[in-house]
Amino acid sequence: DQQVKQNSPSLSVQEGRISILNCDYTNSMFDYFLWYKKYPAEGPTFLISISSIKDKNEDGRFTVFLNKSAKHLSLHIVPSQPGDSAVYFCAARGFNNDMRFGAGTRLTVKP
Amino acid sequence: DAGVIQSPRHEVTEMGQEVTLRCKPISGHNSLFWYRQTMMRGLELLIYFNNNVPIDDSGMPEDRFSAKMPNASFSTLKIQPSEPRDSAVYFCASSRDPSGTQYFGPGTRLLVL
Repeated sequence: DQQVKQNSPSLSVQEGRISILNCDYTNSMFDYFLWYKKYPAEGPTFLISISSIKDKNEDGRFTVFLNKSAKHLSLHIVPSQPGDSAVYFCAARGFNNDMRFGAGTRLTVKP
Repeated sequence: DAGVIQSPRHEVTEMGQEVTLRCKPISGHNSLFWYRQTMMRGLELLIYFNNNVPIDDSGMPEDRFSAKMPNASFSTLKIQPSEPRDSAVYFCASSRDPSGTQYFGPGTRLLVL
């Protein structure tokens, strides 16, 4: 039961351009959404989050957008840098605090 | 702070053997989570503890899996007997409380032959 889906397993962009990573969810009870970044041989690290009462949260080059009616969120990275190359996981937290993760999207930023 | 510590980092075992994965959460964190990562299903929550008490174990695959948290600084995830389909990367994460930001360990890569 994949309640959080990242339909693009990979994404490749040119340095300096915008990276857009997408995530869809099915459970309308999710109240908090997060993005994690993972480098090889390391655990995921928290990147940015958004509450269900907001539709946008920005932190430097990273912006997360939430469209509750479409049950969709996206992560924008602009400008993209080679160091952003990693696997990005979308996560959603339910009322009982359990976290559901997507399968991840591998971002490659080419110099 | 050393962050979340997991051991071993890699484990290769034969089908039927018992496997024990270990985790030391960040000091002061009251919640601990065990996840499994596979190519097909991504990151799945197996179980989480709050104040050493298991809160939600609905993600534990079957009776072959068990987890304990005897004290605030140590948790184990045991698989007995192990099967090839258990091969995955197992992550431990901790947070100050169940709704707080989770900090992940480096993971244990398990291969069951």
